[in-house]
Amino acid sequence: TQLLEQSPQFLSIQEGENLTVYCNSSSVFSSLQWYRQEPGEGPVLLVTVVTGGEVKKLKRLTFQFGDARKDSSLHITAAQPGDTGLYLCAGTSGSRLTFGEGTQLTVNP
Amino acid sequence: GAGVSQSPSNKVTEKGKDVELRCDPISGHTALYWYRQSLGQGLEFLIYFQGNSAPDKSGLPSDRFSAERTGGSVSTLTIQRTQQEDSAVYLCASSPAGTGLYEQYFGPGTRLTVT
Repeated sequence: TQLLEQSPQFLSIQEGENLTVYCNSSSVFSSLQWYRQEPGEGPVLLVTVVTGGEVKKLKRLTFQFGDARKDSSLHITAAQPGDTGLYLCAGTSGSRLTFGEGTQLTVNP
Repeated sequence: GAGVSQSPSNKVTEKGKDVELRCDPISGHTALYWYRQSLGQGLEFLIYFQGNSAPDKSGLPSDRFSAERTGGSVSTLTIQRTQQEDSAVYLCASSPAGTGLYEQYFGPGTRLTVT
């Protein structure tokens, strides 16, 4: 069974701080996706990374895929209260996505 | 355009009763997925439909769970003889194709509470 471990599980920071969320596995994935989920809604895709070592930026969010395609990180610069939510990584293998347990981020004004 | 819709949004049922959860995917999407999510946790894969192929049922936790997809569109997830541990949010997602580089579009979920 492929497992994705996310850390930290919970993160509470002040507005303007930087943070990094990690997603690690012992398995290789063909691609990895990051989703953000708000209460009462389904997850929404933020980014897909495919190539080992790939770095993608989405405004204040920076996503990196590990060289061996087993791990990924999400870095948020100058966090804002609107960034609050559950961040989920998901690895692609064949036709299925394997999700991590999520990181619940709270950004306090 | 319309996104993925699910009904009901909330369902409270008594232990032992059967429930049906409905998912209307985005028109034209060939792939449909069901997941289960416990409070604040990640998503647990349940079942996957792709076009006319046999569904991947490998994530269904027991034979009390079943799902159908009629006409390649609407899907129904049925839970028979519900148990308290079935309480969770059930999420449906559709995709233009299988996973990989294709985004999954999620519905808002059905919150199931078994009393």
